[in-house]
Amino acid sequence: DADVTQTPRNRITKTGKRIMLECSQTKGHDRMYWYRQDPGLGLQLIYYSFDVKDINKGEISDGYSVSRQAQAKFSLSLESAIPNQTALYFCATSDPTGGETQYFGPGTRLLVL
Amino acid sequence: DQQVKQNSPSLSVQEGRISILNCDYTNSMFDYFLWYKKYPAEGPTFLISISSIKDKNEDGRFTVFLNKSAKHLSLHIVPSQPGDSAVYFCAASVAGYGNKLVFGAGTILRVKS
Repeated sequence: DADVTQTPRNRITKTGKRIMLECSQTKGHDRMYWYRQDPGLGLQLIYYSFDVKDINKGEISDGYSVSRQAQAKFSLSLESAIPNQTALYFCATSDPTGGETQYFGPGTRLLVL
Repeated sequence: DQQVKQNSPSLSVQEGRISILNCDYTNSMFDYFLWYKKYPAEGPTFLISISSIKDKNEDGRFTVFLNKSAKHLSLHIVPSQPGDSAVYFCAASVAGYGNKLVFGAGTILRVKS
């Protein structure tokens, strides 16, 4: 079984709709992250969380919100989706005692029409 | 501004030969560097890393070289295999800053058999 799972894997939605992307992990890591990938731009950090009570904005948090429901779960919401949020979204986890390495989920491909 | 740059969008190499992927960075505060490999429809997977106190790190066929004065690192794959065909991302962080990674845009490696 995968250590970091993301649901859904693919999603098509319309402009203005609210959607939620979910991430679960079985690695027991405290730290979780949300990234988006656009063609030619690599991965950009949206939000990150060091534990359930600690949530921080990343480079590109505008238009997004997150919820850390438990150590193992970190959700990303688009309150009112817009077409330029069409991208590949990745969740990642890390262990503060394990150095800088992050472990990624398989990604969610989102298309906003 | 892009703090981590991978200036070659793609690279094509013959099986058995050496693949060299390059990465430049601008932020002198970066002190930890990682390479990730990504296959289609999968999340990035950690490949190899290097701390700024070293100039070389090896793991099997993969070697990362760091030139701090030039703010440049490279990943060498020897010998290259068709299964190495993937997108390779360079990432950098400031150790102790919550594992926040800054990614390059990626280089597509194609290993021809």
